Amino acid sequence: RKEVEQDPGPFNVPEGATVAFNCTYSNSASQSFFWYRQDCRKEPKLLMSVYSSGNEDGRFTAQLNRASQYISLLIRDSKLSDSATYLCVVSRVYNFNKFYFGSGTKLNVKP
Amino acid sequence: DTEVTQTPKHLVMGMTNKKSLKCEQHMGHRAMYWYKQKAKKPPELMFVYSYEKLSINESVPSRFSPECPNSSLLNLHLHALQPEDSALYLCASSQALGGRENYNEQFFGPGTRLTVL
Repeated sequence: RKEVEQDPGPFNVPEGATVAFNCTYSNSASQSFFWYRQDCRKEPKLLMSVYSSGNEDGRFTAQLNRASQYISLLIRDSKLSDSATYLCVVSRVYNFNKFYFGSGTKLNVKP
Repeated sequence: DTEVTQTPKHLVMGMTNKKSLKCEQHMGHRAMYWYKQKAKKPPELMFVYSYEKLSINESVPSRFSPECPNSSLLNLHLHALQPEDSALYLCASSQALGGRENYNEQFFGPGTRLTVL
């Protein structure tokens, strides 16, 4: 079983739409959770760390459910510039902060 | 400033060449990482350094040799590579290993796109 599972998409949405990405992880000992975005042929960039209480940054909201081992990312009022691949990442501090990446979900925002 | 720099941006090398990839960060981070990324796949961890000591080697072939000369620099020495080693090589850093949650956030450099002929 993969450590982190994501829907690969692509998600094709119009500008202004709300889109939600979901991710599940298999190891309950996972301690840190992140969403990264990656544009084509570029490096991953940290979008948000995901905290137990949930957190929001502008149009982006991340939630964590440790009991269900589930992480989500909600993007409101999608912009063309949001088009990218979104990577769900978990890590375990005792394992040298090794990052376990999901396969990524591709988002295409259309005019 | 959350910046990790990598040189060169692009590298083409033959199977008999020796070359080095360089990575630098000035954020005072004490953990640094090398990843390999193939097209349409997530990054794969190769090495982790913590306080300039190698902490993880993910069973990487010996033709890849990492080096951490000081807390700001990370090198990856390449020798006798194979065409299947062609990929984007990413360097990343984080404040440290363990501790507070934000210590574990990794910041990636722009990568070196390597082609092995």
